[in-house]
Amino acid sequence: QKEVEQNSGPLSVPEGAIASLNCTYSDRGSQSFFWYRQYSGKSPELIMSIYSNGDKEDGRFTAQLNKASQYVSLLIRDSQPSDSATYLCAVHTGGFKTIFGAGTRLFVKA
Amino acid sequence: EPEVTQTPSHQVTQMGQEVILRCVPISNHLYFYWYRQILGQKVEFLVSFYNNEISEKSEIFDDQFSVERPDGSNFTLKIRSTKLEDSAMYFCASSESYGTNYGYTFGSGTRLTVV
Repeated sequence: QKEVEQNSGPLSVPEGAIASLNCTYSDRGSQSFFWYRQYSGKSPELIMSIYSNGDKEDGRFTAQLNKASQYVSLLIRDSQPSDSATYLCAVHTGGFKTIFGAGTRLFVKA
Repeated sequence: EPEVTQTPSHQVTQMGQEVILRCVPISNHLYFYWYRQILGQKVEFLVSFYNNEISEKSEIFDDQFSVERPDGSNFTLKIRSTKLEDSAMYFCASSESYGTNYGYTFGSGTRLTVV
């Protein structure tokens, strides 16, 4: 059974701080990794994708991938109250499906 | 910005009834998906669809489920005989391609309540 694991949180950070979200996956053959944001009662929204080892930056967001350790992370710099949401790690495991972790709830305190 | 449209937003049905959930994917996307999310739980894969056939399906997607693309725009999920445990939010998603770097665009979801 291919798994994606995340700490459920909540992760609480003050406004302006860096939020660090982590994810591990079980399938060593996984190729593509995604972070989605899901506000309460809403659908997931794609934030970033990454498929090479190392860092990928997009505005305040940085995704980090370490395939040897089967580890993906998302850093959110200068966190804002509007960043308060559940962050879903998703892994394309090959074939035609992507599987999702249960998500980490982030709370940014003003 | 292009979006995936789902209807209805909320459906209440009696146990044993058939329901059809409808989706209009983004027009130039080729891959279509259904996911569901039971309240408080993770987003679960149901089925992927490409070139008018199922590409992959999960163990959840048993004989009571079916998908169809009846015309060039709609993509539907049918649940033949609903059970209480089918109550969930159902998300349709589409992607331009699959594999590296192609994330999904999700619709706003249909909340299905089986009573």
